[in-house]
Amino acid sequence: DTEVTQTPKHLVMGMTNKKSLKCEQHMGHRAMYWYKQKAKKPPELMFVYSYEKLSINESVPSRFSPECPNSSLLNLHLHALQPEDSALYLCASSQDDPGNTIYFGEGSWLTVV
Amino acid sequence: EDQVTQSPEALRLQEGESSSLNCSYTVSGLRGLFWYRQDPGKGPEFLFTLYSAGEEKEKERLKATLTKKESFLHITAPKPEDSATYLCAPQRGANNLFFGTGTRLTVIP
Repeated sequence: DTEVTQTPKHLVMGMTNKKSLKCEQHMGHRAMYWYKQKAKKPPELMFVYSYEKLSINESVPSRFSPECPNSSLLNLHLHALQPEDSALYLCASSQDDPGNTIYFGEGSWLTVV
Repeated sequence: EDQVTQSPEALRLQEGESSSLNCSYTVSGLRGLFWYRQDPGKGPEFLFTLYSAGEEKEKERLKATLTKKESFLHITAPKPEDSATYLCAPQRGANNLFFGTGTRLTVIP
Protein backbone atom coordinates (compact mmCIF):
# COMPACT_ATOMS: atom_id res chain seq x y z
CA ASP A 1 0.00 0.00 0.00
CA THR A 2 1.68 3.19 -1.18
CA GLU A 3 -1.14 5.60 -0.49
CA VAL A 4 -0.99 9.17 0.66
CA THR A 5 -4.47 10.56 1.26
CA GLN A 6 -5.24 14.26 1.00
CA THR A 7 -8.40 16.12 1.97
CA PRO A 8 -10.20 18.06 0.75
CA LYS A 9 -9.71 17.49 -2.97
CA HIS A 10 -11.01 20.97 -3.76
CA LEU A 11 -11.15 24.07 -1.58
CA VAL A 12 -12.36 27.57 -2.36
CA MET A 13 -11.60 30.20 0.25
CA GLY A 14 -11.78 33.93 0.64
CA MET A 15 -8.74 36.02 1.43
CA THR A 16 -9.89 36.51 5.04
CA ASN A 17 -10.72 32.86 5.70
CA LYS A 18 -8.80 30.32 7.76
CA LYS A 19 -8.76 26.78 6.41
CA SER A 20 -6.61 23.67 6.60
CA LEU A 21 -5.40 20.99 4.22
CA LYS A 22 -4.92 17.52 5.65
CA CYS A 23 -2.68 14.62 4.67
CA GLU A 24 -2.44 11.09 6.03
CA GLN A 25 -0.19 8.10 5.35
CA HIS A 26 -0.01 4.67 6.95
CA MET A 27 3.21 3.40 5.39
CA GLY A 28 5.31 4.02 8.50
CA HIS A 29 7.15 6.83 6.75
CA ARG A 30 8.96 9.32 8.98
CA ALA A 31 9.40 12.13 6.46
CA MET A 32 6.45 14.13 5.16
CA TYR A 33 6.37 16.97 2.67
CA TRP A 34 4.26 19.79 1.29
CA TYR A 35 4.75 20.86 -2.32
CA LYS A 36 2.99 23.60 -4.28
CA GLN A 37 2.31 23.24 -8.01
CA LYS A 38 1.03 25.98 -10.28
CA ALA A 39 -0.49 25.18 -13.68
CA LYS A 40 2.04 23.87 -16.21
CA LYS A 41 4.88 24.22 -13.67
CA PRO A 42 6.76 21.56 -11.70
CA PRO A 43 6.09 20.94 -8.00
CA GLU A 44 8.01 23.26 -5.68
CA LEU A 45 9.05 22.17 -2.21
CA MET A 46 7.52 24.14 0.67
CA PHE A 47 8.16 22.17 3.87
CA VAL A 48 9.70 18.92 5.06
CA TYR A 49 9.03 17.22 8.37
CA SER A 50 11.45 14.60 9.60
CA TYR A 51 10.41 12.55 12.63
CA GLU A 52 7.64 15.09 13.28
CA LYS A 53 10.07 18.02 13.39
CA LEU A 54 10.23 20.72 10.75
CA SER A 55 13.52 20.19 8.92
CA ILE A 56 13.12 22.29 5.76
CA ASN A 57 11.18 25.52 5.22
CA GLU A 58 11.82 26.88 1.75
CA SER A 59 11.21 30.51 2.77
CA VAL A 60 7.46 30.06 2.63
CA PRO A 61 5.32 33.07 3.70
CA SER A 62 3.90 32.84 7.21
CA ARG A 63 0.34 32.73 5.89
CA PHE A 64 1.13 29.04 5.33
CA SER A 65 1.62 27.21 8.62
CA PRO A 66 2.50 23.50 8.64
CA GLU A 67 1.80 21.14 11.50
CA CYS A 68 2.73 17.50 12.06
CA PRO A 69 0.58 16.17 14.95
CA ASN A 70 2.00 12.65 14.68
CA SER A 71 4.00 10.48 12.33
CA SER A 72 0.98 9.71 10.12
CA LEU A 73 -0.59 13.15 9.80
CA LEU A 74 0.44 16.42 8.21
CA ASN A 75 -1.61 19.58 8.08
CA LEU A 76 -1.19 22.86 6.25
CA HIS A 77 -3.02 25.75 7.89
CA LEU A 78 -3.98 28.60 5.59
CA HIS A 79 -4.74 32.16 6.64
CA ALA A 80 -5.02 35.46 4.79
CA LEU A 81 -4.05 33.95 1.47
CA GLN A 82 -3.76 35.84 -1.79
CA PRO A 83 -5.27 34.89 -5.17
CA GLU A 84 -1.77 34.03 -6.42
CA ASP A 85 -1.67 31.26 -3.81
CA SER A 86 -4.23 29.35 -5.87
CA ALA A 87 -2.53 26.10 -6.88
CA LEU A 88 -2.43 22.34 -6.43
CA TYR A 89 -0.99 21.49 -3.02
CA LEU A 90 0.69 18.10 -2.90
CA CYS A 91 1.53 16.09 0.17
CA ALA A 92 4.18 13.38 0.03
CA SER A 93 5.92 10.94 2.34
CA SER A 94 8.99 8.71 2.43
CA GLN A 95 11.34 6.88 4.72
CA ASP A 96 13.77 9.36 6.21
CA ASP A 97 16.85 8.25 4.31
CA PRO A 98 18.30 9.98 1.24
CA GLY A 99 17.38 8.24 -1.97
CA ASN A 100 14.24 6.63 -0.62
CA THR A 101 11.16 6.80 -2.81
CA ILE A 102 8.93 9.80 -2.17
CA TYR A 103 5.24 9.00 -2.69
CA PHE A 104 2.76 11.72 -3.53
CA GLY A 105 -0.92 12.12 -2.83
CA GLU A 106 -3.44 13.25 -5.43
CA GLY A 107 -3.31 16.83 -4.20
CA SER A 108 -5.71 19.46 -2.96
CA TRP A 109 -6.84 22.09 -5.46
CA LEU A 110 -6.96 25.47 -3.73
CA THR A 111 -8.69 28.50 -5.19
CA VAL A 112 -8.40 31.81 -3.34
CA VAL A 113 -11.08 34.35 -4.25
CA GLU B 1 23.76 26.76 -8.50
CA ASP B 2 21.69 23.61 -8.87
CA GLN B 3 19.94 23.25 -12.22
CA VAL B 4 17.81 20.65 -13.96
CA THR B 5 16.61 20.97 -17.56
CA GLN B 6 14.28 18.64 -19.39
CA SER B 7 13.92 18.40 -23.15
CA PRO B 8 11.91 18.50 -25.24
CA GLU B 9 9.18 20.51 -23.46
CA ALA B 10 6.54 18.68 -25.49
CA LEU B 11 6.66 15.58 -27.66
CA ARG B 12 4.02 14.10 -29.96
CA LEU B 13 4.51 10.51 -31.05
CA GLN B 14 2.52 8.12 -33.15
CA GLU B 15 1.55 4.94 -31.35
CA GLY B 16 4.51 2.56 -31.65
CA GLU B 17 7.04 5.32 -32.43
CA SER B 18 9.89 5.00 -29.91
CA SER B 19 11.74 8.02 -28.55
CA SER B 20 13.77 9.39 -25.63
CA LEU B 21 13.30 12.17 -23.11
CA ASN B 22 16.33 13.99 -21.71
CA CYS B 23 17.08 15.34 -18.25
CA SER B 24 20.30 17.35 -17.81
CA TYR B 25 21.27 18.24 -14.27
CA THR B 26 23.86 20.03 -12.19
CA VAL B 27 23.22 19.21 -8.56
CA SER B 28 25.69 19.18 -5.72
CA GLY B 29 25.44 16.26 -3.34
CA LEU B 30 23.22 14.18 -5.61
CA ARG B 31 21.54 11.41 -3.61
CA GLY B 32 19.45 9.95 -6.41
CA LEU B 33 17.68 10.83 -9.66
CA PHE B 34 13.93 10.23 -9.68
CA TRP B 35 11.50 9.93 -12.57
CA TYR B 36 7.79 10.54 -12.10
CA ARG B 37 4.79 10.49 -14.38
CA GLN B 38 2.02 13.04 -13.81
CA ASP B 39 -1.43 12.95 -15.36
CA PRO B 40 -3.44 16.21 -15.54
CA GLY B 41 -4.92 17.14 -12.18
CA LYS B 42 -3.19 14.26 -10.36
CA GLY B 43 -0.20 13.87 -8.11
CA PRO B 44 3.12 12.59 -9.51
CA GLU B 45 3.36 8.81 -9.79
CA PHE B 46 6.74 7.28 -9.00
CA LEU B 47 8.49 5.45 -11.85
CA PHE B 48 12.23 4.99 -11.10
CA THR B 49 15.14 6.00 -8.90
CA LEU B 50 18.69 5.85 -10.27
CA TYR B 51 21.63 6.18 -7.90
CA SER B 52 24.85 5.94 -9.89
CA ALA B 53 26.19 6.55 -13.39
CA GLY B 54 25.67 3.57 -15.64
CA GLU B 55 22.60 2.35 -13.82
CA GLU B 56 19.53 1.36 -15.85
CA LYS B 57 16.00 0.44 -14.79
CA GLU B 58 13.04 -0.80 -16.80
CA LYS B 59 9.31 -0.95 -16.35
CA GLU B 60 7.05 -2.11 -19.16
CA ARG B 61 7.75 0.21 -22.13
CA LEU B 62 9.98 2.56 -20.13
CA LYS B 63 13.71 2.41 -19.50
CA ALA B 64 15.65 4.98 -17.50
CA THR B 65 19.41 5.47 -17.70
CA LEU B 66 21.84 7.71 -15.83
CA THR B 67 25.18 9.36 -16.57
CA LYS B 68 27.07 11.87 -14.43
CA LYS B 69 25.27 14.79 -16.08
CA GLU B 70 22.16 13.38 -17.76
CA SER B 71 19.37 10.91 -17.45
CA PHE B 72 17.29 9.54 -20.30
CA LEU B 73 13.83 8.04 -20.27
CA HIS B 74 13.44 5.78 -23.28
CA ILE B 75 9.92 4.92 -24.39
CA THR B 76 9.62 1.87 -26.62
CA ALA B 77 6.51 1.38 -28.78
CA PRO B 78 4.40 3.84 -26.77
CA LYS B 79 0.65 3.54 -26.40
CA PRO B 80 -1.91 6.34 -25.97
CA GLU B 81 -2.11 5.55 -22.24
CA ASP B 82 1.54 6.61 -21.93
CA SER B 83 0.45 10.19 -22.60
CA ALA B 84 1.39 12.26 -19.53
CA THR B 85 3.96 14.74 -18.26
CA TYR B 86 7.22 13.05 -17.28
CA LEU B 87 9.14 14.75 -14.50
CA CYS B 88 12.79 14.31 -13.66
CA ALA B 89 13.83 15.14 -10.10
CA PRO B 90 17.37 14.99 -8.74
CA GLN B 91 17.50 14.67 -4.96
CA ARG B 92 19.89 17.13 -3.33
CA GLY B 93 20.72 16.63 0.30
CA ALA B 94 18.28 14.83 2.51
CA ASN B 95 14.61 14.80 1.51
CA ASN B 96 14.87 17.54 -1.10
CA LEU B 97 13.62 16.71 -4.60
CA PHE B 98 14.31 19.39 -7.19
CA PHE B 99 11.92 18.97 -10.13
CA GLY B 100 12.57 19.78 -13.76
CA THR B 101 9.85 21.47 -15.79
CA GLY B 102 8.84 18.19 -17.38
CA THR B 103 8.21 16.78 -20.84
CA ARG B 104 4.59 16.66 -21.94
CA LEU B 105 4.17 13.49 -23.99
CA THR B 106 1.21 12.89 -26.29
CA VAL B 107 0.86 9.52 -28.02
CA ILE B 108 -1.52 9.56 -30.97
CA PRO B 109 -3.41 6.37 -31.87
